[in-house]
Amino acid sequence: KAGVTQTPRYLIKTRGQQVTLSCSPISGHRSVSWYQQTPGQGLQFLFEYFSETQRNKGNFPGRFSGRQFSNSRSEMNVSTLELGDSALYLCASRLPGDGYTFGSGTRLTVV
Amino acid sequence: QQQVKQSPQSLIVQKGGISIINCAYENTAFDYFPWYQQFPGKGPALLIAIRPDVSEKKEGRFTISFNKSAKQFSLHIMDSQPGDSATYFCAAHLYNTDKLIFGTGTRLQVFP
Repeated sequence: KAGVTQTPRYLIKTRGQQVTLSCSPISGHRSVSWYQQTPGQGLQFLFEYFSETQRNKGNFPGRFSGRQFSNSRSEMNVSTLELGDSALYLCASRLPGDGYTFGSGTRLTVV
Repeated sequence: QQQVKQSPQSLIVQKGGISIINCAYENTAFDYFPWYQQFPGKGPALLIAIRPDVSEKKEGRFTISFNKSAKQFSLHIMDSQPGDSATYFCAAHLYNTDKLIFGTGTRLQVFP
């Protein structure tokens, strides 16, 4: 059974640009969550989607947004990139009541 | 308070020894407590998890001890191996959401 797939694995962007990251959950998983991981702040919850609806959102500015498609695939978008947005962005999926399975993440570097 | 405090920040253990990582929380709305293992370049992998109605759960060499009254839980790794060298995160799931609050991580190094 394929795991959570995140693309791309690595990304380098310039300040002010925008970026879109993609996540394909495990087949059958309808819940998809996104986390930001940095050395300073650790793992922080961004948002969670279930059946194309955002159910929860973390304490991030409006530049961070996401969406989920009917096939449960999810994208997150960051607009007007800042140097501080450099991080590992992780996606996780799960079945209700089960544990979360994380992808390997997208390493975003903003220069 | 939606924090989970994790200690120690780093841990060095000899092969065959016991590794112990501790976490504490304040929010009583947490209903599920997983531990994750993360290797460099990889995402966190679920290791073992416990619900607050259970005081201990064991899976192989990994054991979670849970003290509901003290709001503390810990991970014990028995017979630690060099392959266990990784960063370990405790987490707490906020009831009625799909939000995990993570501890700050413990870097474990197991020397032969």
